[in-house]
Amino acid sequence: DQQVKQNSPSLSVQEGRISILNCDYTNSMFDYFLWYKKYPAEGPTFLISISSIKDKNEDGRFTVFLNKSAKHLSLHIVPSQPGDSAVYFCAASAHTDKLIFGTGTRLQVFP
Amino acid sequence: DADVTQTPRNRITKTGKRIMLECSQTKGHDRMYWYRQDPGLGLRLIYYSFDVKDINKGEISDGYSVSRQAQAKFSLSLESAIPNQTALYFCATSASRGTDTQYFGPGTRLTVL
Repeated sequence: DQQVKQNSPSLSVQEGRISILNCDYTNSMFDYFLWYKKYPAEGPTFLISISSIKDKNEDGRFTVFLNKSAKHLSLHIVPSQPGDSAVYFCAASAHTDKLIFGTGTRLQVFP
Repeated sequence: DADVTQTPRNRITKTGKRIMLECSQTKGHDRMYWYRQDPGLGLRLIYYSFDVKDINKGEISDGYSVSRQAQAKFSLSLESAIPNQTALYFCATSASRGTDTQYFGPGTRLTVL
């Protein structure tokens, strides 16, 4: 049973526009959520996180929104840049350091 | 130099062979993890270790074993490799407390023929 779901395997966005990546979860015990970014031939790198006590966290062009009632989080990238083209994984944890990852969304930002 | 290194980066082996993947880190973290990535399945946890004397199974540990030789080293072994263990393997580390952020190595691409 997939506890963390990313239903869009891919997303294509024009440079300068907003990219919105979505993630749904089923476990109400999750209290910490993260987004990781992965380029080909590299390991995932941490991008941004949010605690369940917040509904928004912003870091430069990246903002994560958390809707606990809907068990949904999203990552907004504004403005999108070609260097943002990568696979994005959302992940969640419940009071531990064990992360449950989603299946990933491949973002392509075109000129 | 990279904080988390994995060797080898690529490996092709045959069914039934024993193979070891190695991970080293210079971040001084106590916690280390092994994941595998398969297309369409994301990253799945194989084993994790919160310190040298603590080893725990993840969600897909069957067919794998691990050894935590030191704080900085965590090895993953496939005792008898099979084709469905063909995947991308990642090692990760995290600090001992206060954060769930994990730092990943560059990965090992393993092919079992």
